[in-house]
Order: sequence, then structure tokens, then C-alpha cells
Amino acid sequence: GAVVSQHPSRVICKSGTSVKIECRSLDFQATTMFWYRQFPKQSLMLMATSNEGSKATYEQGVEKDKFLINHASLTLSTLTVTSAHPEDSSFYICSARETERGGLYNEQFFGPGTRLTVL
Amino acid sequence: GENVEQHPSTLSVQEGDSAVIKCTYSDSASNYFPWYKQELGKRPQLIIDIRSNVGEKKDQRIAVTLNKTAKHFSLHITETQPEDSAVYFCAAYFGNTPLVFGKGTRLSVIA
Repeated sequence: GAVVSQHPSRVICKSGTSVKIECRSLDFQATTMFWYRQFPKQSLMLMATSNEGSKATYEQGVEKDKFLINHASLTLSTLTVTSAHPEDSSFYICSARETERGGLYNEQFFGPGTRLTVL
Repeated sequence: GENVEQHPSTLSVQEGDSAVIKCTYSDSASNYFPWYKQELGKRPQLIIDIRSNVGEKKDQRIAVTLNKTAKHFSLHITETQPEDSAVYFCAAYFGNTPLVFGKGTRLSVIA
């Protein structure tokens, strides 16, 4: 299957700093990528849909000024957590679908996740 | 938007027994229903999926059934093994919408 990488895998930062997480589709192009957040013992909650060359679409309750998303190319999307606070500590997972295959049933491939800890 | 309900939230079975996890969805337009297995600290792994034009699909010990009229789908794991212990998520979507996940089921297989 297609491969999605994510970097870094783990980050610890001080409160008030910003953290950037990269998501790359390694062997396919992805017009659309998705960012999820997962708190301990909970499900994956969609934060935003990242569209190449245009603004991201945020889910209700997700602050777009706090979680900056940039999808500058067909293989890279970044999520920047600005002015991070302890309550932002979570497991962030990106996901992508292959653009070229089209159709209605594209599998969604997941990155390995980034564990963010804000002290 | 789509809403996916998943039951039970926890499930314990004896090794060798079967496990069944059920999900319901709200959007009748949804036409793709994957199931994921997630181990602690790792990404979700697709284990089986079903499209809206199929009622049942099987892959070795794992099977999924879909009832579009009732808007529910189920995961069946037979002859469970300790390594099946994990959190399982159902999901649904259609077209270019993102996957919407159920809340997950923590399966424990007791040896």
C-alpha cells in the first residue's frame, strides 16, 4: 500500500512555543490530506481537511489560528501548533488519499503519528 | 455530517471464541466502511473494508457484514488469539469526505 510519513514522531516542548509537524505522501500524490487528533483512550477526531493550494477546512471547535495548516505541494502538508499549551498534548495523526486513482472508494492511508507533550 | 456509533466500548473474550463489534452510521450516502486495528501508540491499520454494493466480505478469520437499509455494519473475528487484542475502530465516508470514526472498541483476548 501507499506510504505516509510523519515527522517528528515525538516532540516535547515548553508552553508557549510553536511546533510544526510534517506529513508526506512518499509514493503517491495527495490533493487532500486530513489531520486527526487522538487523546488517550479516545477515538481519532478530525481536526481539518488540508487541500493542496487552498485553505484548509477546519472542523467545528478547532481554532484555525492556533492550528495552522499548509498544504504547499501534492506530497506535503504541515500542521503548526502555535503557542502550545499542556491541553494541546495529544497524538496527532495525518492521513492522505491517493489523487490519481480517483473513484469513490479510495483507501485513506495514515502516517505513524506525532506524540506532542507540552510542559 | 456523518455520525458513527460503535458498540461495545470494551469486549473481553476467551481465546478461541468469536468477537463481534457493531457500528451504525447516519448518512445514507456513505458507501465505504473500513475497519481499523490500532495498537497502543501506533497508527490505525486497515484490516478489512466493505463497499456499499457488497453485503458481506471475509478475509480468513475476519469478516464484515453491511446492512445498508438499517445503516449498520459489523466486524466478526473468529478463533480469536491474544494478538488480536487491540482497539478496533469502524469508520464511514462517501466521495471525498474524510473518514469519520466510531469511538472504538477495546478488545481483550484472554488466553
